[in-house]
Amino acid sequence: DTEVTQTPKHLVMGMTNKKSLKCEQHMGHRAMYWYKQKAKKPPELMFVYSYEKLSINESVPSRFSPECPNSSLLNLHLHALQPEDSALYLCASSQGGGVREAFFGQGTRLTVV
Amino acid sequence: AQSVSQHNHHVILSEAASLELGCNYSYGGTVNLFWYVQYPGQHLQLLLKYFSGDPLVKGIKGFEAEFIKSKFSFNLRKPSVQWSDTAEYFCAVRANQAGTALIFGKGTTLSVSS
Repeated sequence: DTEVTQTPKHLVMGMTNKKSLKCEQHMGHRAMYWYKQKAKKPPELMFVYSYEKLSINESVPSRFSPECPNSSLLNLHLHALQPEDSALYLCASSQGGGVREAFFGQGTRLTVV
Repeated sequence: AQSVSQHNHHVILSEAASLELGCNYSYGGTVNLFWYVQYPGQHLQLLLKYFSGDPLVKGIKGFEAEFIKSKFSFNLRKPSVQWSDTAEYFCAVRANQAGTALIFGKGTTLSVSS
């Protein structure tokens, strides 16, 4: 199983809502990532979890709050988002350490209204 | 910190033409290099990767890439493209150490006409 599963696939939320994106993998990977991708742009790194600890936060606004409850799950909690936060949010995972490729999920298409 | 530049923003080819997409990276240490493809409406898929060893790596769907360390380059090639190769292509680099992540180039849109 080389799948990274993201739910929901689509999400529309108001600027005052609180919602969460979920990501799951069962490949035994110990590193998990959140990326944000705008249309016609490359994925931009947001957060890295390594062995369930946050290791990189790319100066992401606090309205995005990541959580790694266990080695298979990664959440992204959303609160008070802005319309410019509308994007495709990608989760990825890789084996722990630096020498492995990342497997990407299909993403959650988020629209903030 | 590492960075990646892709020289071609949009490439338009006819079927059976040869393809070469340029990618250069900037980083002083050892890197892992990747090419990912994103077909319309689909998720990112790994085309090929380079970690060490033979600098000429072969990937899926007839793609290959050559790592030239002296030029900090990792160009993607395919001898004969097909209409189904129409997609967005991203070069990515990762520092070869724990706790790092992929950094992507801006991407190249490939349009293949039949």
